[in-house]
Amino acid sequence: EIVMTQSPATLSVSPGERVTLSCRASQSIRNTYLAWYQQKPGQAPRLLIYGISTRATGVPARFSGSGSATEFSLTISSLQSEDFAVYYCQQHSDWPLTFGGGTKVEI
Amino acid sequence: QVQLVESGGSVVQPGRSLRLSCAASGFPFSYYGMHWVRQAPGRGLEWVAVITYDGRNEYYTDSVKGRFTIFRDNSKNTLYLQMNSLRVEDTAIYYCAGDHCAGDCNPRPNLLYNRFDPWGQGTLVTVSS
Repeated sequence: EIVMTQSPATLSVSPGERVTLSCRASQSIRNTYLAWYQQKPGQAPRLLIYGISTRATGVPARFSGSGSATEFSLTISSLQSEDFAVYYCQQHSDWPLTFGGGTKVEI
Repeated sequence: QVQLVESGGSVVQPGRSLRLSCAASGFPFSYYGMHWVRQAPGRGLEWVAVITYDGRNEYYTDSVKGRFTIFRDNSKNTLYLQMNSLRVEDTAIYYCAGDHCAGDCNPRPNLLYNRFDPWGQGTLVTVSS
């Protein structure tokens, strides 16, 4: 099983700041099989990024993804109030599909 | 409007069975693979199972193999999860989610993209004596 490790667990930031969330895989992710999701309290997750760096439909341009092999990151260029949430990375390079433990972005 | 609506969650004793349903609308359900993903209270996300667009192929996480069965009825635009021999550790919100495709989304045998979009709102399963 590919273990996905996200850091930090919690990030305390102010609106307008630039934030970078990290995701590390226990083995190399083949192709571009890495996605990011956003989950707000009481809501279902939402797909943000797929293929490491492609924004899903309707996702603002302030969200960007990058990385390769075992190291990946999600960057929010200027944090908005609606961006405070938990963010999960997910690999679909191998079975079983696995998520990271999440990074909570809080005020 | 694309919508997935789960139902069937409830409180059940360990060892009992439960069937979840997920009604789809607003998109060509029969073209897409479908997943179940769960989230234990206050915890992260865990993928549970996936089924191909035609129902011919299924994959499961190890902890539910032999106990859970994913299946679908394309004539009813509905996805199901049959859960047998439930354990306390199966307690979670269960989400159904579409197998997200970008670009050419014509269905192909055993082709899965294995990322999740859209998502339903979830249904809570509590396993407790």
